[in-house]
Formats: sequence, C-alpha cells, structure tokens
Amino acid sequence: AQTVTQSQPEMSVQEAETVTLSCTYDTSESDYYLFWYKQPPSRQMILVIRQEAYKQQNATENRFSVNFQKAAKSFSLKISDSQLGDAAMYFCAYRSNTGNQFYFGTGTSLTVIP
Amino acid sequence: DGGITQSPKYLFRKEGQNVTLSCEQNLNHDAMYWYRQDPGQGLRLIYYSQIVNDFQKGDIAEGYSVSREKKESFPLTVTSAQKNPTAFYLCASSIFSPSGANVLTFGAGSRLTVL
Repeated sequence: AQTVTQSQPEMSVQEAETVTLSCTYDTSESDYYLFWYKQPPSRQMILVIRQEAYKQQNATENRFSVNFQKAAKSFSLKISDSQLGDAAMYFCAYRSNTGNQFYFGTGTSLTVIP
Repeated sequence: DGGITQSPKYLFRKEGQNVTLSCEQNLNHDAMYWYRQDPGQGLRLIYYSQIVNDFQKGDIAEGYSVSREKKESFPLTVTSAQKNPTAFYLCASSIFSPSGANVLTFGAGSRLTVL
C-alpha cells in the first residue's frame, strides 16, 4: 500500500491570510494522481483540487493551489485569502495510474480565526 | 440530482449484533468503496468493488462483509466479529478508468455506535 503522510494534525490561520498544508507520499511509480479533499463539520467529503503527476504545472482552483514537487514527493495545498468557510479537515490522497485504490493521509484540521 | 445516498445516518447497535449500512449511487459509476474514519487515523479502506459481483478486501476488512449484486448498490455488513465497530463509515464511488484522473464522490456517511 502507498503511504501518504500529513505531518500537521492541526493548523490555524487568520481570516484573509494564507496558509499552506503539507503532504508527502511514498511511491515507486512515475505516473499517479494526487488529491486534496475537504471535510467540513457536516462531514461531507468534497474534492478541492487534483494533480496529475505527469503535469509539471501546479493545479489551481480559485483560492486553492498546490505546490507539487515530484522529486521530493511533496504535494502541499495553499489556501489564499482564507475564509471562515474554509475551516475543515483536509485530507491528501494518492491514486496510482495502474489501479483504482485511493490512499489517504491522516488529515489536517484547519481553524480559521476571525 | 446524481449522488450517493447512505443510510441510516446514525445507528446504534448492541454488542453481538450484525448491522448493515446501505449505500446507493445513481451516478452510473463502476467502482464503489467503503472507508472507515476514526479520529487521527484518516480514512481506511474496508472493501472496494470495481464491477458487479466482484469485490476486494481493503486494509481493514476483518469483521466486515459486502455484496455487489447491482451496480447501484454496495451494502456493508458490520459483523459481531468486528472488535471495535464504533466509527464513522463513508461510502464512495468513482468511474473505473485506471489511466484517468478518476475522483471519488462520497456519501454523507453513517455513524455507528456500539452500546
């Protein structure tokens, strides 16, 4: 099984500021996909952003962007102009290009301070 | 609207009882998954199924069973053999395309508490 590590169990950010959540993964494959999922207090998991490993360009979705460092096996999520609604648990996930299993990290709980 | 429906949302069980969690999807997805979520442990895969009448064990399958008789349905039974069944259970689905950027779509979850 692939290993996905989120080393920050909890993070906090002031409203309107920027925060970066870290994720590293372990794989011997060259082609794969990476994801960030958000789980708000409702516990409904929502896809935030995804990255194909063969693409060098970092994915961006509005205020959310990633810093994908393939050689370092690092996939961090940057949230700009943080809003109260961004408060949630964030999970990093990995999927191989040769299978359909998704592997999740342990999550980072983000608090947004008004 | 297309989506995944999990029921019940909350379930209480006495020790020694089997319970079944329902998961239905109308997204026409081939693959379906069951995850268990515990505080500090992220999401752990229990079972997954890529096609009807076929399923594979995940990392923590002991004490659980599943069936996939219809494409739309993937029920999970928590048996009395599961030593610590109190948890939040998430069902998910995706298209099955190994070379594509498939994403998981999740249900709202079921909270099981053993009394």
